[in-house]
Amino acid sequence: NAGVTQTPKFQVLKTGQSMTLQCAQDMNHNSMYWYRQDPGMGLRLIYYSASEGTTDKGEVPNGYNVSRLNKREFSLRLESAAPSQTSVYFCASSGGTGAGNQPQHFGDGTRLSIL
Amino acid sequence: AQTVTQSQPEMSVQEAETVTLSCTYDTSESDYYLFWYKQPPSRQMILVIRQEAYKQQNATENRFSVNFQKAAKSFSLKISDSQLGDAAMYFCANSGGSNYKLTFGKGTLLTVNP
Repeated sequence: NAGVTQTPKFQVLKTGQSMTLQCAQDMNHNSMYWYRQDPGMGLRLIYYSASEGTTDKGEVPNGYNVSRLNKREFSLRLESAAPSQTSVYFCASSGGTGAGNQPQHFGDGTRLSIL
Repeated sequence: AQTVTQSQPEMSVQEAETVTLSCTYDTSESDYYLFWYKQPPSRQMILVIRQEAYKQQNATENRFSVNFQKAAKSFSLKISDSQLGDAAMYFCANSGGSNYKLTFGKGTLLTVNP
């Protein structure tokens, strides 16, 4: 029962470097999400994909891009990393047709530090 | 727009006792859902309980139950017979049925004392 798998679990980058966070789910879910979690704050939505082939901005999209590669995979890219993007990143997925229809299932998170 | 407020940054409870975590929310959606998620030190986000706004009956899951007061826009979580494994950060969250945005509160850190 893999659920939602995120790679890598930890990463350290230098300012200006780029990287892609990978996420895959094996629950045949339509919708996938990327969140960031900062100290003292709840999770904030970066981007989401309601279904394969679609992506939309969430609350804090600046500095990020996403790709819904297929139904299983949803990647998050930092083109030019900045210290303000130091955070823990969570990928999630859900069935149904909206965030409320079904609960979201989360990966274990990626701790990203940008120096 | 959706907002979720958790007014208790930290709470503590004795093992086997009962504790209530508070949450208030605001939403423009007529059809919406409310959740409590648990985040232990392992960092996993674990769904604890879910409430549909159109249901008047409060949701329960074993030792976990909610007090949903729709008019007051309040959604508190009660943990009965607290166990050491309940120690975690608890997040209240709200989503609208017609949109994909799940809005989280800032969390309440629960400590369980033996």
